[in-house]
Amino acid sequence: EVQLLESGGGSVQPGGSLRLSCAASGFTFGNHAMSWVRQAPGKGLEWVSSINYNAGSRNYADSVKGRFTISRDNSKNTLFLQMNSLRVEDTAVYYCAKFESSGYYSKFDYWGQGALVSVSS
Amino acid sequence: DIQMTQSPSSLSASVGDRVTITCRASQGISTHLAWFQQKPGKAPKSLIYDATNLQTGVPSNFSGSGSGTDFSLTISSLQPGDFATYYCQQYNNYPLTFGGGTKVEIK
Repeated sequence: EVQLLESGGGSVQPGGSLRLSCAASGFTFGNHAMSWVRQAPGKGLEWVSSINYNAGSRNYADSVKGRFTISRDNSKNTLFLQMNSLRVEDTAVYYCAKFESSGYYSKFDYWGQGALVSVSS
Repeated sequence: DIQMTQSPSSLSASVGDRVTITCRASQGISTHLAWFQQKPGKAPKSLIYDATNLQTGVPSNFSGSGSGTDFSLTISSLQPGDFATYYCQQYNNYPLTFGGGTKVEIK
């Protein structure tokens, strides 16, 4: 059974940093591209960042480019999102999502349960 | 960026009703479209990929159609567990973009 378990969420002041982790199990993590998608309270889904299977290629939404960094450790079956210079508008539940293939021009097939990030003064 | 427009934004329906949600892309995306179901406080669940293909385990009362710019999700007979918010998403181009969602409520 595929499982994606996010951790590392919490409350932080504007300008602060957080690092999210997504622990994967139930599939060969190193064979699949991964992504982060967020959802602000009461709002819709917004794609944040994607990384291919070997971290050779990454992509970011304009809203987070230069502030967030996606990475992965295939030896530990874990996806990360380093979030720096956080803004109030980054407040959201952050989901990790698995792509069906090794590249990120593909479809999502599984989602984690999400980690809440709250940015306020 | 490709804009995804869903309609309606909400609807009320009864158990057993046939429900159709539409999604329009601002430019052609072939069949690179997915549909997701989300219940309150829960993660999205993948329902349909490549516009028409059901994910494993998704009941057959769900179906998808369309290509190019116009797509639809149909629930042939609404069940109690189907009351949720539904999102379309294109994966033809980056940035990946989602529709604004359609909330299906009990009449």
